[in-house]
Amino acid sequence: EAAVTQSPRNKVTVTGGNVTLSCRQTNSHNYMYWYRQDTGHGLRLIHYSYGAGNLQIGDVPDGYKATRTTQEDFFLLLELASPSQTSLYFCASSDIQGSNERLFFGHGTKLSVL
Amino acid sequence: QQKVQQSPESLSVPEGGMASLNCTSSDRNFQYFWWYRQHSGEGPKALMSIFSDGDKKEGRFTAHLNKASLHVSLHIRDSQPSDSALYFCAAIVGDNSKLIWGLGTSLVVNP
Repeated sequence: EAAVTQSPRNKVTVTGGNVTLSCRQTNSHNYMYWYRQDTGHGLRLIHYSYGAGNLQIGDVPDGYKATRTTQEDFFLLLELASPSQTSLYFCASSDIQGSNERLFFGHGTKLSVL
Repeated sequence: QQKVQQSPESLSVPEGGMASLNCTSSDRNFQYFWWYRQHSGEGPKALMSIFSDGDKKEGRFTAHLNKASLHVSLHIRDSQPSDSALYFCAAIVGDNSKLIWGLGTSLVVNP
């Protein structure tokens, strides 16, 4: 089973603070994704990448940056955190996109912006 | 409007009973439907996908797709308390093969 590890599991910051969420996958998957999960909105795609150095914009990118440093590592950056970014964040990976892609998710990071 | 709509929002069934979850796409240009399950405190985990008309069975889980009505359902036979979770339907749609998520159905299986 594909392994996706996120850190930290919980994070509390203040409005205007800087936050970096980390994700590592160990299955040599090409695609990696950052989602946020909010009640009433389901899963919303923030950014994704199909390889080291590549970045694609998702559906809700405002206020977020992302960077894919290696095949394994994908980071989500909040440079001026706002309370509206309080959410549960998931990283996921997949071997392909489209067709019959299957996503493997991490356990999530719960972020609170006070 | 949500392109992938799930119903009901929540569902409660007794242990050993049948749970039936529904999902409809408003985009006729779909390729696959996926069902994911998310237990509390964890990330979603893929259950099964379906793209052909008819039934697909995996253990206690059966997915049924009707392409004409763009409707897919998931039936869980002999439901167990461990099946209590949030179930997402997701459809791969469009020429760019984008994955579109429903809002989920919360299932509670009562012992």
